[in-house]
Amino acid sequence: QVQLQESGPGLVKPSETLSLTCTVSGGSIGNYYWSWIRQPAGKGLEWIGRILSSGSTNYNPFLRSRVTMSLDTSKNQFSLKLNSVTAADTAVYYCARSYGANDYWGQGTLVTVSS
Amino acid sequence: DIVMTQSPDSLAVSLGERATINCKSSQSVLYSSNNKNYFAWYQQKPGQPPKLLIHWASTRGSGVPDRFSGSGSGTDFTLTISSLQAEDVAVYYCQQYYSPPYTFGQGTKLEIK
Repeated sequence: QVQLQESGPGLVKPSETLSLTCTVSGGSIGNYYWSWIRQPAGKGLEWIGRILSSGSTNYNPFLRSRVTMSLDTSKNQFSLKLNSVTAADTAVYYCARSYGANDYWGQGTLVTVSS
Repeated sequence: DIVMTQSPDSLAVSLGERATINCKSSQSVLYSSNNKNYFAWYQQKPGQPPKLLIHWASTRGSGVPDRFSGSGSGTDFTLTISSLQAEDVAVYYCQQYYSPPYTFGQGTKLEIK
């Protein structure tokens, strides 16, 4: 059974960089896309982007100038960096496996942007 | 970007009755070369991540009860719960994965009447 677990700081200061890692267990990171999706409190889901096991990426144009995704196949992990954060980036961040739809999700991690 | 619009925003249905949620995309998500709709439905309960219910518009996800069904093609899609159970109370989202960014609908909150 594939499991995903997000990790990273729960509090980030405005203008700084949000950094999260997703660790995949129970399966290889190869041959799939891996996605980041976020959800502000009480609101809907926003697709941030995805990275293929080869390293190719697709980002949401809304965030593209601030987002970087990477992966480490040796550790079965992939990562998200979002720079120049503001309060509007406060949300629960989910990582997910994507073959098209997202079939496995992490539990999510709340990131608050505040000084 | 493809805009996904769900209706209604909220819905109250009696236990054992049918629940129907609709989703409309601003452009077709049907890929003509393989005749597949790049479309999914998710269920999200409070404090939990979304769960994949339906993919390719009408294929149930692993372990999803058969009271959940998806239909539609092109730009118009429907999620039907044939006989509502108490555990189906949740917010339901549609998503297209035809063209990045892979946008979601705004969500439909389903409650018991």
